Amino acid sequence: EPEVTQTPSHQVTQMGQEVILRCVPISNHLYFYWYRQILGQKVEFLVSFYNNEISEKSEIFDDQFSVERPDGSNFTLKIRSTKLEDSAMYFCASSERTSGRLSYNEQFFGPGTRLTVL
Amino acid sequence: GNSVTQMEGPVTLSEEAFLTINCTYTATGYPSLFWYVQYPGEGLQLLLKATKADDKGSNKGFEATYRKETTSFHLEKGSVQVSDSAVYFCALQFSGGYNKLIFGAGTRLAVHP
Repeated sequence: EPEVTQTPSHQVTQMGQEVILRCVPISNHLYFYWYRQILGQKVEFLVSFYNNEISEKSEIFDDQFSVERPDGSNFTLKIRSTKLEDSAMYFCASSERTSGRLSYNEQFFGPGTRLTVL
Repeated sequence: GNSVTQMEGPVTLSEEAFLTINCTYTATGYPSLFWYVQYPGEGLQLLLKATKADDKGSNKGFEATYRKETTSFHLEKGSVQVSDSAVYFCALQFSGGYNKLIFGAGTRLAVHP
């Protein structure tokens, strides 16, 4: 069964360093998402991406964050200069379509990358 | 704003016990409601959904009913198994647009033999 994969599973970095989190969405999916979960807190939406551009982003997704689909398979989240408060589990998700008026959009999630900023 | 509130965990049960995990939501409009489950070391998986008021979602013995009058979507299972041990997330989503999910904090369930 197709699945979303993420690498690495755990990333440790020093404050101020750049990190790139990688995701391989399901191959026929067109819509891509990043979420994060700070330990003990809610899973929060960061950004959605479609047709090679950001379609929606949250207030968390500031200028330190960027996303890219550099080839036909990978979807990356870059944090330019990490802060302590960026420590979290980052989940990538993909979906085949968006919902219509009476339907829903099933998003398929990867296992997450745990980012630890020291 | 739109939000989801779940009961805090962990919830610890014996095998074959009845499970309820409470979820309430605040929303401007009529969202679809979901329960996602995360087993250890895995990603979030859709467990069940309901797209309109009074709909009942069900899967793997779990059920939840979309209650508009109480803005709730409580998860229930009549007889839990050790294999149900996981973290359960309630979420809402509005149709149209790019459909971000709004999650609750998650509730950890531990089932003991």
